[in-house]
Amino acid sequence: AQKVTQAQTEISVVEKEDVTLDCVYETRDTTYYLFWYKQPPSGELVFLIRRNSFDEQNEISGRYSWNFQKSTSSFNFTITASQVVDSAVYFCALSEGENAGGTSYGKLTFGQGTILTVHP
Amino acid sequence: DVKVTQSSRYLVKRTGEKVFLECVQDMDHENMFWYRQDPGLGLRLIYFSYDVKMKEKGDIPEGYSVSREKKERFSLILESASTNQTSMYLCASTLTGDEQYFGPGTRLTVT
Repeated sequence: AQKVTQAQTEISVVEKEDVTLDCVYETRDTTYYLFWYKQPPSGELVFLIRRNSFDEQNEISGRYSWNFQKSTSSFNFTITASQVVDSAVYFCALSEGENAGGTSYGKLTFGQGTILTVHP
Repeated sequence: DVKVTQSSRYLVKRTGEKVFLECVQDMDHENMFWYRQDPGLGLRLIYFSYDVKMKEKGDIPEGYSVSREKKERFSLILESASTNQTSMYLCASTLTGDEQYFGPGTRLTVT
């Protein structure tokens, strides 16, 4: 069975601080995808990144960066120089790999979410 | 612009009522999903559908059923609403292996 753990329930930082959100996953699949989603106060989940299991390169997008390490089954997310607009709930998710028939329905297993509050 | 819409943002129902939550996507996606979101539990999969009239149970299907008569529409049905079904319900759709696109959510309160 797949599992995603976000050990940090809530994080509170002051603007301009760097913050890292941890994500650890478990799966027996060799092919899988990892995701991060942001849920602002409005409620709609916003896609941030998808990483497949064969690509361990770190990724940077503006103030956001992601560190994928298969050796520790982790996919951590860092926000550099945080801003008030970064305040949201952040979810890490794992999608299933291909089944015996060679297909995948894209089902996601989500972590519990981390509530990030950035104070001015 | 991709879009997943849900019929209501807020809904209040009484215990025992039959409740329909509707979700429509305009991206021609095969796969559609219903999740419920509760504090501290993240999103949990209730049901999903990979084709018209095809459905599979997710992790917490008890007390729910679904209907998918057309590719773009996926309905979640609470046959007899109970207070423990008070929650945020999120619909999503995807092409295989791609990101899931989410609707705005329906906050259901059962009294």
